[in-house]
Amino acid sequence: RKEVEQDPGPFNVPEGATVAFNCTYSNSASQSFFWYRQDCRKEPKLLMSVYSSGNEDGRFTAQLNRASQYISLLIRDSKLSDSATYLCVVNQAGGFKTIFGAGTRLFVKA
Amino acid sequence: DAGVIQSPRHEVTEMGQEVTLRCKPISGHNSLFWYRQTMMRGLELLIYFNNNVPIDDSGMPEDRFSAKMPNASFSTLKIQPSEPRDSAVYFCASSPRDRGGYTFGSGTRLTVV
Repeated sequence: RKEVEQDPGPFNVPEGATVAFNCTYSNSASQSFFWYRQDCRKEPKLLMSVYSSGNEDGRFTAQLNRASQYISLLIRDSKLSDSATYLCVVNQAGGFKTIFGAGTRLFVKA
Repeated sequence: DAGVIQSPRHEVTEMGQEVTLRCKPISGHNSLFWYRQTMMRGLELLIYFNNNVPIDDSGMPEDRFSAKMPNASFSTLKIQPSEPRDSAVYFCASSPRDRGGYTFGSGTRLTVV
């Protein structure tokens, strides 16, 4: 079993749709969690951190479920510019052991 | 802040040649990471440094790979000799101490022919 697993997609959605991605992790000692976004032929960029209480940044909402060991990302009112690969990231203790998921590809179409 | 700076952006070399990739982390970031990304394997952590000291190099694929961080503002990843299967995008990332949010450089796209 991979340490961090994501549905690779692709997710094809129309503009304005709501789309959700899930990610599961295997190490219950994992301490911090993030979502990154990677555009084609670009570097990954931090999208948002994920907190136990859940957090929201505009159209993006991230949730963490420690009991079930999964995190989620919800994108509301999808824009064409949201088309990218979304990477789930899990840090072990101390923040130095970081595992990236393989990513979920999203295509938003007009 | 200029962000994490990597050079070169692109490198094409012949099999057997030595390749050196360079990285300048963000000033004040104590942790530095080298990643490799391919379509087949995704992002793989090769090695990370904390305060210029290598902490975990278990991701380095073979002895042909080596990495150094002689000071807080510079790191190199060397492949000697290079092989076609080393072709990938190599990213350097840095992070403030005790935080997991990384900033990545633009990467070096390496092609070994």
